[in-house]
Amino acid sequence: SQKIEQNSEALNIQEGKTATLTCNYTNYSPAYLQWYRQDPGRGPVFLLLIRENEKEKRKERLKVTFDTTLKQSLFHITASQPADSATYLCAATSGSARQLTFGSGTQLTVLP
Amino acid sequence: DTAVSQTPKYLVTQMGNDKSIKCEQNLGHDTMYWYKQDSKKFLKIMFSYNNKELIINETVPNRFSPKSPDKAHLNLHINSLELGDSAVYFCASSPQTFSDYGYTFGSGTRLTVV
Repeated sequence: SQKIEQNSEALNIQEGKTATLTCNYTNYSPAYLQWYRQDPGRGPVFLLLIRENEKEKRKERLKVTFDTTLKQSLFHITASQPADSATYLCAATSGSARQLTFGSGTQLTVLP
Repeated sequence: DTAVSQTPKYLVTQMGNDKSIKCEQNLGHDTMYWYKQDSKKFLKIMFSYNNKELIINETVPNRFSPKSPDKAHLNLHINSLELGDSAVYFCASSPQTFSDYGYTFGSGTRLTVV
């Protein structure tokens, strides 16, 4: 079955460092990958979208890569700040229906 | 202005009851969705509506039924509630049937069945 996996349930890093989160997909070839941020008690907030024919996308301190050979997307936050602490969700369109399927998320904590 | 609003934010009810969650979006989006987030924070799609037409219906129990009176509203009705229905339910919307631009989510409804 189609699956999206985010390798780390939790990631702690020091303020100022670059956080790198991983998203792997199996048993399908998504046309798009999206990344969302979710804070406790809130709904997910859209951050970035990358298409299968794009290698990299940037937005301010955020960068997303999409490697169709490795079936993987990496999400980077440079110069991380404690305010970046949240759960980050990877999502992909799947199959012909192109429904948005979510991974289970990585909880990022940026330590001051 | 709240883009996607859900009511109520919290809902505590007994097993066997019937309840509804309301969702409204003021973004002019074409498609609306319902997602369920379980205790492990996993988000799973339940339904989506495009121009009043159900276009995705995942394998959810038929006790759950979406109702869309117009493009801006997608309500979720749940009959004969069970303990396993306890979760956070999120409404979302997007500008296209199969969004290239990301979804806008509501703040969620925490349903607790006792």
